[in-house]
Formats: sequence, C-alpha cells, structure tokens
Amino acid sequence: GIQVEQSPPDLILQEGANSTLRCNFSDSVNNLQWFHQNPWGQLINLFYIPSGTKQNGRLSATTVATERYSLLYISSSQTTDSGVYFCAVPNMFSGGYNKLIFGAGTRLAVHP
Amino acid sequence: KAGVTQTPRYLIKTRGQQVTLSCSPISGHRSVSWYQQTPGQGLQFLFEYFSETQRNKGNFPGRFSGRQFSNSRSEMNVSTLELGDSALYLCASSPSGEETQYFGPGTRLLVL
Repeated sequence: GIQVEQSPPDLILQEGANSTLRCNFSDSVNNLQWFHQNPWGQLINLFYIPSGTKQNGRLSATTVATERYSLLYISSSQTTDSGVYFCAVPNMFSGGYNKLIFGAGTRLAVHP
Repeated sequence: KAGVTQTPRYLIKTRGQQVTLSCSPISGHRSVSWYQQTPGQGLQFLFEYFSETQRNKGNFPGRFSGRQFSNSRSEMNVSTLELGDSALYLCASSPSGEETQYFGPGTRLLVL
C-alpha cells in the first residue's frame, strides 16, 4: 500500500523562528491533508491541498503531486504551534478516499 | 455548526471486558470513519460507514466492530479487550467521504 513519510520527526524552535515540514508519499494521490494534533489529542484540519499552494495566516502548504511531496511552512512560530503535525493521504488502492493513511508525524516544540 | 463529538472522553476497562464508543458527526455529514492512535503504530484506519453501511475496513481483528444509525451517528465496539487496545480512538466525519475529514476530540481508552 501507499507509504507516507514525514520529516523531521522532531523539531525544536525558538518563538519567532520559521520552519518547513515535509511529507513524501509513495504513489499518486488526488488529495492530501495536513493536521495539527494539540496536546489534548484533537486533530485540527490545517489544509486540504491536493496540489498547488494555500496560505492561512502564518501557515502555508505546497503540494507537488507529480513529485509526490508536500511541504508545510510555519512562519513566526508561537508556543501555541507546539504539537504534532500529520499529513495524510487517501488509500485509493483499497477502497478509497475516506481511508486515510497517516505519516508518523513531526513533533514540534516552540519555546518562548 | 457543532463539531464532531465523541463520548465518553475517557474510559478505563479491564481485560476481557467490552466497550462501546460513540461518535456524532457534523450535521449533514453522512460518512463517519474511525481511527486508532497508539504510540507504537501511530494513526490507523479502523472502518468507515456511509448511510448505515460499512464501506471500508482496516486490518483489525473481528473484535473491533461498528455500526451507523439512520441519523449518521456511529458507534464502535471492542469485545474481549486486550492490554494492546489501550489507545486514543478518533472518529472523523465528512459529507460523503471524499472531502476533508473533520475529527472529534477522541476517546482515551485504558485497558488494565
């Protein structure tokens, strides 16, 4: 089945720093989602981005579907950005869109 | 619109018991998916329901089952609990399963 790899696994930043998180996937996909899991476990939708670039405040994401990767940019990081960031793609070879395959996540800690 | 809700939020059971978890999707969403999150295996897809029918199933033993009601609310059941079933169980909803999925806050299950 499709493989999803995220890097780096861990990231420590000082408040105000910028960062780039990467998500590689092994097969063609027609959508990709980025999530932020807060310390209480809730997965918060960040982006639904099958291709191209989207921006939402200090966060932006770019997916290059032909090269099978997506990037999540966090600018001017804040302590509230801490948590785990996941990318997920649908397992289209096994019944589809609604069966998300998650990467292992990038654990981000932002210190004041 | 209210978000996805899950009950209970926390649960402690002993080995051999069974447990039922509940998920109420966003109003108008007909697809409900369930995921298990553990430190060792990460986020794994359990099953997905749409219009009271199971459309997709992950690689979990038959002890894990679910159902969906006519109002789209879903329940999952785990019978004969094992220590390894301790996890965060997340449900997600979407209008038809092919769009952005929205996650609930999860149910933390501890099996002693």
